[in-house]
Amino acid sequence: QKEVEQDPGPLSVPEGAIVSLNCTYSNSAFQYFMWYRQYSRKGPELLMYTYSSGNKEDGRFTAQVDKSSKYISLFIRDSQPSDSATYLCAMTPDNYGQNFVFGPGTRLSVLP
Amino acid sequence: NAGVTQTPKFQVLKTGQSMTLQCAQDMNHNSMYWYRQDPGMGLRLIYYSASEGTTDKGEVPNGYNVSRLNKREFSLRLESAAPSQTSVYFCASSGGWGADTQYFGPGTRLTVL
Repeated sequence: QKEVEQDPGPLSVPEGAIVSLNCTYSNSAFQYFMWYRQYSRKGPELLMYTYSSGNKEDGRFTAQVDKSSKYISLFIRDSQPSDSATYLCAMTPDNYGQNFVFGPGTRLSVLP
Repeated sequence: NAGVTQTPKFQVLKTGQSMTLQCAQDMNHNSMYWYRQDPGMGLRLIYYSASEGTTDKGEVPNGYNVSRLNKREFSLRLESAAPSQTSVYFCASSGGWGADTQYFGPGTRLTVL
C-alpha cells in the first residue's frame, strides 16, 4: 500500500462545476497537508497549506483535512478552463521540507 | 524575479554517459531539494541541502551525487546514466522549515537511451 493514494483521473468537468479532489494516507503522524497545482510541463506551485484537521478557504479553493479518516480534500468552486492541471497532494509529519510525501496527482480538465 | 531556474530544460543521454543538472535560486533561501517525477508516482526526493555546506540523502539517492556550490546553487550529477533514470527532475528551494515556502523550478526532462 502506498503511503499516499490519489485517483490519477483524468477528471473532466464542465466550466462552472464544483470539483472535488481527494487523497488518502496511511501514516497517522502526518500533521501538515498541502495541495499543489502543476500545469503541463511546469513545476508544481503551492495552492493550499493546512495544519492538522479542519477547513481552509482561499477564494474559489477550499482544503479540508479529516485526520480521523486519514482523508484530505480540495474543492474548487466555479471551475474555470484555467484550472485544468494536475493537482498533487503532499503531507509531512514535521513541517520539514525533506520529509514531504507526495501523491501521484489527479489530472483535471475543465471544459469550456 | 526569476525564482528557481534549472538548466537544461531537456536532455537525451546514452547509457553510461554523465551529466550535471544545474539549479539556482535568487530568493536567498537556505534549503534546496532535488526531486524526480515519474508517471503514476509522486515526487520523490533524491537529495536535499538544509543549508549551505550540507547535503543529505533523500528517498532515492542511488546513482546520483549533489553539490551545494554556494547559497544560490545546487547541482545534481549523474555519473553513469541508466535508463531507469529517465524522468523529469525538479529542483526546489525553501526559506526555512515552513512547508508553505517550498518553490519549484520548471524541471529538466531527461531521457536515457
